[in-house]
Amino acid sequence: DAGITQSPRHKVTETGTPVTLRCHQTENHRYMYWYRQDPGHGLRLIHYSYGVKDTDKGEVSDGYSVSRSKTEDFLLTLESATSSQTSVYFCAISETTSGSAGELFFGEGSRLTVL
Amino acid sequence: DQQVKQNSPSLSVQEGRISILNCDYTNSMFDYFLWYKKYPAEGPTFLISISSIKDKNEDGRFTVFLNKSAKHLSLHIVPSQPGDSAVYFCAAREYGNKLVFGAGTILRVKS
Repeated sequence: DAGITQSPRHKVTETGTPVTLRCHQTENHRYMYWYRQDPGHGLRLIHYSYGVKDTDKGEVSDGYSVSRSKTEDFLLTLESATSSQTSVYFCAISETTSGSAGELFFGEGSRLTVL
Repeated sequence: DQQVKQNSPSLSVQEGRISILNCDYTNSMFDYFLWYKKYPAEGPTFLISISSIKDKNEDGRFTVFLNKSAKHLSLHIVPSQPGDSAVYFCAAREYGNKLVFGAGTILRVKS
């Protein structure tokens, strides 16, 4: 199994509070991603990183920010949580090699509930 | 607008029979297609992939077929086993090594 750890695994918070989810990898992979999973939508990309301090927006980035100061850590921050951000959040890592699919390896998920 | 679509929310098959999961896409620039399997309370796990220049890839009981002209791919599982019961996500790779996922299909294999 790929060495990916997400924390916290479960969190309940109130609307308007800040929340930070952490993803830690031990594989030294270049790419890291944050996805959210919602019924009827599958997995949607929030933000991704292609190196230390190199990040870019995904499909559903509004209301989220990220930081990557070290290869192994990728933080997802909700500055002011809203009920629409109640979801399961997955971190993923990848290392591309020429001619390969560059498959992503996922963490176990962080379930966030915003009341 | 969804670039990757899985139009069947669920599928039920008998143990030992074939399971066929379908996926359609709209972006002809995708260069790889992947299937992931997900059990409840776990992260998705990679199953099988296919390059856009191929039309078939096989790995044990799993075979993926790609029809580029129709922008359609399918995953065949033969024979289906109860342990295959899970949510299956189709995904396509776009520039920047990002994956675009479909909404998923719940597969139930009845014993």
